[in-house]
Amino acid sequence: GEDVEQSLFLSVREGDSSVINCTYTDSSSTYLYWYKQEPGAGLQLLTYIFSNMDMKQDQRLTVLLNKKDKHLSLRIADTQTGDSAIYFCAESHEEGTYKYIFGTGTRLKVLA
Amino acid sequence: DTAVSQTPKYLVTQMGNDKSIKCEQNLGHDTMYWYKQDSKKFLKIMFSYNNKELIINETVPNRFSPKSPDKAHLNLHINSLELGDSAVYFCASSQAQANTIYFGEGSWLTVV
Repeated sequence: GEDVEQSLFLSVREGDSSVINCTYTDSSSTYLYWYKQEPGAGLQLLTYIFSNMDMKQDQRLTVLLNKKDKHLSLRIADTQTGDSAIYFCAESHEEGTYKYIFGTGTRLKVLA
Repeated sequence: DTAVSQTPKYLVTQMGNDKSIKCEQNLGHDTMYWYKQDSKKFLKIMFSYNNKELIINETVPNRFSPKSPDKAHLNLHINSLELGDSAVYFCASSQAQANTIYFGEGSWLTVV
């Protein structure tokens, strides 16, 4: 079945880079997403990548996709305390019922 | 203007009660969803409607009944609330072609 996995916790120092990893099982995934959830708040779409891309950069965020290994990563450069949140990886298909499968979320803690 | 709005944001109610959570989106999307986020932050899809038609119905107790009066609204009604229903419920929407999902702020339901 479809599954998306992430490590549960990551702790980094302010100013360092953070790398949050995600693996998925469904090879027919078309879009892969990163969402951010701040404490007590909803889910904010950070970025997404189409499955035929290897990399996407958006300011401090870099998304890398290794389709062969079904591995997705989110790199946050110059991590700030405001980046502390839970980061969810998600995947979806172009066809079918548009069911989005979310990972378990990675709780990023940024230390001052 | 809020793109996906849901009400109420917080709801505390007693076991056995019936309650509804309302959701509206002003993005002109044709697909709407309900997700449940449990205490461990796992996000699971419950329902999805496309053009007012139910297209995803995961294994959810039939005490949960979604209602979509039009494309812009998807309400969630829960009968005979149980302690295990305590969670954050997220409404979301997407336009099928764009395939990017936008979430509401979440509704925190506590059953006591």
